[in-house]
Amino acid sequence: GIQVEQSPPDLILQEGANSTLRCNFSDSVNNLQWFHQNPWGQLINLFYIPSGTKQNGRLSATTVATERYSLLYISSSQTTDSGVYFCAVGDSGGSNYKLTFGKGTLLTVNP
Amino acid sequence: GAVVSQHPSRVICKSGTSVKIECRSLDFQATTMFWYRQFPKQSLMLMATSNEGSKATYEQGVEKDKFLINHASLTLSTLTVTSAHPEDSSFYICSVENNPPYYGYTFGSGTRLTVV
Repeated sequence: GIQVEQSPPDLILQEGANSTLRCNFSDSVNNLQWFHQNPWGQLINLFYIPSGTKQNGRLSATTVATERYSLLYISSSQTTDSGVYFCAVGDSGGSNYKLTFGKGTLLTVNP
Repeated sequence: GAVVSQHPSRVICKSGTSVKIECRSLDFQATTMFWYRQFPKQSLMLMATSNEGSKATYEQGVEKDKFLINHASLTLSTLTVTSAHPEDSSFYICSVENNPPYYGYTFGSGTRLTVV
């Protein structure tokens, strides 16, 4: 099946700093989403971005499908940004329904 | 995107008992729902696909007799963990596919199961 690798596994920032999270995937995808899992476990949709660039406030994401990677940018980080960020992909060659998750990036933003 | 409600959010049960978890699609009819499991400090793994009116499709390695899935209506899927054991303690999350103009998947708030 498709492999999803996220980096870095852990990231510690001071409030106000910027960061870039990376997601590499091993095959063509028909779906790519970035999620933020808060301390209570809720998965929050950040972006649906199988290709191209999107921005939402302090967050933006870019997926270069031909090179099989996606980046999540967090600018002016806040303590509420802390949590685990997951990249999940749908394999265009396999089941349309199956999302394969990366292992996540644990982000800690200190005041 | 979709609005997904999951209940209960947290449950503690004794070893050997069964636990039922509900997942509801509140704003549209979902013929397919998905159940994931997440062990502490690990990623999410798809367990099974719940299909309204037919049998669920289980991922390799997931025991269908232990994790019973019922999708009896277009808005409700249930996951029953039968004869639960401590190793079944985990975070269980359901999801549905969003309808256009939204894309991708929306997840419920999850159920933290602790078997003692």
